[in-house]
Amino acid sequence: QITLKESGPTLVKPTQTLTLTCTFSGFPLSTNTVRVGVGWFRQPPGKALECLALIYWDNDKRYSPALKSRVTITKDTSKNQVVLTMTHMDPVDTATYYCARHETVATRSFDYWGQGILVTVSS
Amino acid sequence: QSVLTQPPSASGAPGQRVSLSCSGSSSNIGSSTVNWYQQVPGTAPKLLIYNNDRRPAGVSDRFSGSKSGTSASLAISGLQSEDEADYYCGAWDDSLNAWLFGGGTKLTVL
Repeated sequence: QITLKESGPTLVKPTQTLTLTCTFSGFPLSTNTVRVGVGWFRQPPGKALECLALIYWDNDKRYSPALKSRVTITKDTSKNQVVLTMTHMDPVDTATYYCARHETVATRSFDYWGQGILVTVSS
Repeated sequence: QSVLTQPPSASGAPGQRVSLSCSGSSSNIGSSTVNWYQQVPGTAPKLLIYNNDRRPAGVSDRFSGSKSGTSASLAISGLQSEDEADYYCGAWDDSLNAWLFGGGTKLTVL
């Protein structure tokens, strides 16, 4: 069974750095026999989804061009975790943040999603 | 404003068929496969269609996808109240080197 779950602070102050952790199970992120990645997404209240960053089994990383200077994605395969850091948080960054698995061979889609975590940026 | 354009809303009566559109360009839909996601308010997105027209296991055959040129469509037949949700299209963009989503279409079952 494949699951993903986001964890981290639900309230951050402007200018602070946000660190979110995606803990997953049911698949490895360390071998090319299962070519998958894990991505981070966000969705401001009432707005559309936005892909922030992706990391793959071979440590290849992709970032949103709009947020590339503020976002970093890393993985800890021993803990089955993917960590997103976003610097210089602003109230406009208030959103529900999701992590999802990216299957790159059969479906080439984000096929499993976490439940999401609402992060509010406010002083 | 999203690079993938979706109408903000659509509606239909129970039992009817509706079609939701997603318009892009040669750098995204025109050169990549399209996926569709269903999001019931307050829940995470769920993969509905992948590779333009394929359904994951467990997704009802009332949902079907298609792609032509730089546009894609999601059709839902036999509308049910449980289909009331937001629907997002998604595709890779070769120019932006990024995954894109449309702005989403809110489907109301009348």
